[in-house]
Amino acid sequence: EVQVVESGGGIVQPGGSLRLSCVASGFSFTNYWMHWVRQVPGKGLVWVSRVNSDGTNTKYADSVKGRFTISRDNAKNTVYLQMNSLRGEDTAVYYCARDRFAGDGVFDPWGQGTLVTVSS
Amino acid sequence: DIQMTQSPSTLSASVGDRVTITCRASQSISSWLAWYQQKPGKAPTLLIYKPSNLESGVPSRFSGSGSGTEFTLTISSLQPDDFATYYCQQYQTYPLTFGPGTKVDIK
Repeated sequence: EVQVVESGGGIVQPGGSLRLSCVASGFSFTNYWMHWVRQVPGKGLVWVSRVNSDGTNTKYADSVKGRFTISRDNAKNTVYLQMNSLRGEDTAVYYCARDRFAGDGVFDPWGQGTLVTVSS
Repeated sequence: DIQMTQSPSTLSASVGDRVTITCRASQSISSWLAWYQQKPGKAPTLLIYKPSNLESGVPSRFSGSGSGTEFTLTISSLQPDDFATYYCQQYQTYPLTFGPGTKVDIK
């Protein structure tokens, strides 16, 4: 079964850091770009970041640029999102998603999500 | 950034109804549009891409059409499992952007 599973969410104080992980299985991880998308509970979906298949090219939403870093370890079938200088507005469920078609930006599948709460 | 809008924001319908959701882009995105379904407490799932190709396993009552700036998602005969929120998403240009969603609920 093709799946991705996130972990690492939790409660963190403003200004703090957190690292999310996403482990992939059921497909050849090294061939696929990967994304992070977030969703404030009850609100819409917002794309956060993506990394290409070998980790050499990354993109970020303006709202997280300079604070978040996406990376991957192909030996571990894992993609990471290092989140620094966290703000209240970063509170959301963070989804990891595979890029369905060779990097064109269609998400499939999605993980179950991991909740990040930024609060003092 | 390309802004995506959807209408209506909420749609009340009955089982068996034909349902149409419209998605508009602030500039042309050619055919680079996908649709996702999200049920409460669950992750989104891909329904349709580019913008009329049905993802494997998605029932044929779902269909998509459009190009440029205007797109539609149609459910030909609404089933109980279809009550959910639907999002469109453009993948023409980064940042990738989603519409605000259309909630389909029971009339």
